[in-house]
Amino acid sequence: QVQLVQSGAEVKMPGASVKVSCKASGYTFSKNALHWVRQAPGQSLEWMGWINADNGYTSYSPSFEGRLTITRDRPATTVYMDLSGLTFEDTGLYYCARHLDSGDHIQYYYGLDVWGQGTAVSVSS
Amino acid sequence: QSALTQPASVSGSPGQSITISCTGTPTDSGTYNLVSWYQQFPSRAPKLILYEVSNRPSGVSDRFSGSRSGNTASLTISGLQAEDEADYYCCSYGGSRTMVFGGGTKLTVL
Repeated sequence: QVQLVQSGAEVKMPGASVKVSCKASGYTFSKNALHWVRQAPGQSLEWMGWINADNGYTSYSPSFEGRLTITRDRPATTVYMDLSGLTFEDTGLYYCARHLDSGDHIQYYYGLDVWGQGTAVSVSS
Repeated sequence: QSALTQPASVSGSPGQSITISCTGTPTDSGTYNLVSWYQQFPSRAPKLILYEVSNRPSGVSDRFSGSRSGNTASLTISGLQAEDEADYYCCSYGGSRTMVFGGGTKLTVL
């Protein structure tokens, strides 16, 4: 079955960086885009960015511009989310999510049909 | 793009229908259908329940339906059941190759 498995919880100091991985399985990795979505404690979902798993093209939310880098390793069918310059406000649950199948051309905005289990990132001094 | 606007909470009794609105969705002909809805239970990942405004993924109950008018999309849950109690989020294209989520709506089944 289609599955996204994320790396484990992280605790970081302010100013540090965190890198979260998302291992995809059960489908052809290069046929879909993968997104990252954040949820602060008790708050709503916040879109961070996407990556085209085929060509590696990315797009980021202006809220994270300059701090966020999303990459992928095609042979490993894994996507990575790297967030730098962490502050206390970056504490939360980070999800990767697959864009649903959209035929021959990768699409980005129709809907996210498979989600990872989430990775808790805590920023604490 | 600012977050989409949803009511903070809605409630209904079992068997009733409720509607959750989502204001601020695109109105351009090329992007107006790029609206999706997610259901989230506590401590669980979100689940896609509608995409392209009104399409249901396989396995999602037909009690969930969607529509849009102008810059407002709506999620309707008919025949409300206790198991529907959850948080619901809308999401749409946010312009400039971005997506944006709504603030979320907590559904309480009375």
